[in-house]
Amino acid sequence: QKEVEQNSGPLSVPEGAIASLNCTYSDRVSQSFFWYRQYSGKSPELIMSIYSNGDKEDGRFTAQLNKASQYVSLLIRDSQPSDSATYLCAVNITEYGNKLVFGAGTILRVKS
Amino acid sequence: DVKVTQSSRYLVKRTGEKVFLECVQDMDHENMFWYRQDPGLGLRLIYFSYDVKMKEKGDIPEGYSVSREKKERFSLILESASTNQTSMYLCASSTPASGRPGELFFGEGSRLTVL
Repeated sequence: QKEVEQNSGPLSVPEGAIASLNCTYSDRVSQSFFWYRQYSGKSPELIMSIYSNGDKEDGRFTAQLNKASQYVSLLIRDSQPSDSATYLCAVNITEYGNKLVFGAGTILRVKS
Repeated sequence: DVKVTQSSRYLVKRTGEKVFLECVQDMDHENMFWYRQDPGLGLRLIYFSYDVKMKEKGDIPEGYSVSREKKERFSLILESASTNQTSMYLCASSTPASGRPGELFFGEGSRLTVL
């Protein structure tokens, strides 16, 4: 089983809709979770981090964490064409110290 | 702004050649990382370093080595390039002082093709 799993997509949503991106992880004691955005031909950039169960909101982005289900998600409200990118889930796997393990990423396409 | 600079955006090398990928960061970060990114596989950690002259193996170190002689510079070396090392290579840096342990700052990437 992969340590961090994401649906590769592409996930297509119309402009203005809510995009929901999901990620599951295998390490039950992971404490830190991150979402990176990567535009085509560019390097990843951190957009959200979450450390405790529940929701964390930042502008149009909401990260949701459920440690019991080993599940983290990213919601993008009022999706814009500029949100079209690959979204990478990353988890700090405890047994590896401060090392992040990345999922393969979900391609999001927002159609205008 | 943090700047992580990778020496070459595109390289084409032949099988068996020795390849050097250089990475320099200008924010005095302690931690530096080398990843490779392949379609469907995401980012996989090759090597990382938490201090000068210190290195740790990541998930896929075979066929690679690294050097960190100065805090700002982290080099990835392919001793004898092979076609399965054709990939996008990403360097990243971070600092524990930021309080955000997962915040990596990436360079623009080096796309290596081995013929």
